[in-house]
Amino acid sequence: AQSVSQHNHHVILSEAASLELGCNYSYGGTVNLFWYVQYPGQHLQLLLKYFSGDPLVKGIKGFEAEFIKSKFSFNLRKPSVQWSDTAEYFCAVCDNFNKFYFGSGTKLNVKP
Amino acid sequence: DAGITQSPRHKVTETGTPVTLRCHQTENHRYMYWYRQDPGHGLRLIHYSYGVKDTDKGEVSDGYSVSRSKTEDFLLTLESATSSQTSVYFCAIRGDSYEQYFGPGTRLTVT
Repeated sequence: AQSVSQHNHHVILSEAASLELGCNYSYGGTVNLFWYVQYPGQHLQLLLKYFSGDPLVKGIKGFEAEFIKSKFSFNLRKPSVQWSDTAEYFCAVCDNFNKFYFGSGTKLNVKP
Repeated sequence: DAGITQSPRHKVTETGTPVTLRCHQTENHRYMYWYRQDPGHGLRLIHYSYGVKDTDKGEVSDGYSVSRSKTEDFLLTLESATSSQTSVYFCAIRGDSYEQYFGPGTRLTVT
């Protein structure tokens, strides 16, 4: 079975600080990679996705992620976080069989 | 919004009783998924479907069964609910670009 690791379980930042959340996956085949965000009490929403091409992908709300194939990583970044970014963030992988695997999530708390 | 609804949204049931959760989609997507979300575990795939009557197991399928008799409906059944199945259950569909869209979730408590 594939696995997705998110190393930061809980991150606390002040507004305007830069954010980087780590994500590593184990699948060796062609993968589709995703970051989702879950605001308190809500369902998951897609932030961005990578299938092929430019390894630096931009998503909504100023988020971006970089795919590094040699490191099996897909880290999420944002140059300047806002209080409204407080949420839980999930990295996910879709394999060749259309199965999705999610990381355990990173809770981000942005202090105003 | 990908037109996904889940019912019920909340349910409390007793250990040993059967429970069925329903996921309904309005956009004719082929792939549908059931996940459970628990603190510290993220989302874990229970079962998924790649067409009417075509289903496959996910990583935590024990104690769960599914059925898909129509494209728009994907049912998850707990044959005999246990306290370890207390969780939030999310249904999802796979869009045309492989991204997933999630339903609002069902909070299930097994007492």
